[in-house]
Amino acid sequence: QVTLKESGPVLVKPTETLTLTCTVSGFSLSNARMGVSWIRQPPGKALEWLAHIFSNDEKSYSTSLKSRLTISKDTSKSQVVLTMTNMDPVDTATYYCARGIAVAGTYWFDPWGQGTLVTVSS
Amino acid sequence: DIQMTQSPSSVSASVGDRVTITCRASQGISSWLAWYQQKPGKAPKLLIYAASSLQSGVPSRFSGSGSGTDFTLTISSLQPEDFATYYCQQANSFPRTFGGGTKVEIK
Repeated sequence: QVTLKESGPVLVKPTETLTLTCTVSGFSLSNARMGVSWIRQPPGKALEWLAHIFSNDEKSYSTSLKSRLTISKDTSKSQVVLTMTNMDPVDTATYYCARGIAVAGTYWFDPWGQGTLVTVSS
Repeated sequence: DIQMTQSPSSVSASVGDRVTITCRASQGISSWLAWYQQKPGKAPKLLIYAASSLQSGVPSRFSGSGSGTDFTLTISSLQPEDFATYYCQQANSFPRTFGGGTKVEIK
């Protein structure tokens, strides 16, 4: 069974750096058909894709947030880490990680973790 | 970046109704489109990938169609458990992008 679980702080202060960890099970981060994405959702709003890391350690980032994001992985620990610098109240959201699985020529997000709500407030 | 536009933003329907949601991409994405269902307080769930392929375990009343820039998600006979928000997402290229969502509400 494939599962993903996000962990990290529930509250961060403005200007601080957020570090989130996604711990996966049921698949290997070294599998060529697998990767992991981070996606967020502000309360009551739509989904926003943030970053993806591939099995070969290649990375892709949101155009608008690229300067603030870093994604990395530790295959031995089955963990993917996302850092976001200079947090602002508008970054308050539920942050999800999702497995990217290559099927029919591209990557699809399935399954997703349960999500973790991060609030940015002083 | 590829922009994804969904319509309508919300729809009111009754159990048994046929519901259609549309999604338009700002440029051609072939069949690289996914549909997700999200219920309140829950993570999104993949329903359809490659525009028309049903994910394992998803009821056959869900179907997807389209290619290029215009896509459709159809629920042939709405069931009580289908009241949720639906998102399209392009898988043509990174950065990935989502539509704004369509909330299916009880009439």
